[in-house]
Amino acid sequence: GNSVTQMEGPVTLSEEAFLTINCTYTATGYPSLFWYVQYPGEGLQLLLKATKADDKGSNKGFEATYRKETTSFHLEKGSVQVSDSAVYFCALTQGTSGTYKYIFGTGTRLKVLA
Amino acid sequence: GAVVSQHPSRVICKSGTSVKIECRSLDFQATTMFWYRQFPKKSLMLMATSNEGSKATYEQGVEKDKFLINHASLTLSTLTVTSAHPEDSSFYICSARDGGRKETQYFGPGTRLLVL
Repeated sequence: GNSVTQMEGPVTLSEEAFLTINCTYTATGYPSLFWYVQYPGEGLQLLLKATKADDKGSNKGFEATYRKETTSFHLEKGSVQVSDSAVYFCALTQGTSGTYKYIFGTGTRLKVLA
Repeated sequence: GAVVSQHPSRVICKSGTSVKIECRSLDFQATTMFWYRQFPKKSLMLMATSNEGSKATYEQGVEKDKFLINHASLTLSTLTVTSAHPEDSSFYICSARDGGRKETQYFGPGTRLLVL
């Protein structure tokens, strides 16, 4: 069945460091891929998405490219800030007839130190 | 952006009692809402999909008589954990889909349930 695998955290970085959070997926067909972020005490928020191969999603300095050949959707940011500390979830949807069920990875906690 | 609220944010109950969790879409109409369960260091697991005015569709392995879902209006869905037991302790998260935006779901902040 479909699945999403994320690197385990926590990831601890200094401010302005480069961030990569790995995400790979298993799916039949052509899923859409997402990154969600959860700040402390809040719900999951959509960070970025890509709906087809070679698409690059980007938002708030974060970006991820849909790589079908490696079934990956790694999240990157060139210079992290303390305010980026949160839990990041990689997810895919694959639906028919408008069902669009989400399958999530386990989440990766990011801690950015000043 | 779209806001989804959950109530309560945290609940502690005795084994054998029932607990109701509410999920509300505050500024849009949600024809479809989803309920997830999250175990520590685990993925969010979809429990069920609820459509306004119809019966919920449960994922394989989820007991429909244990987890009662009602989606009586376009802005409210409820999850009732009946006869709760300690193994039901978990973090429950709802999401709502704006009818006009197929794939995007807006998530609530979650409800932590502890059954003693």
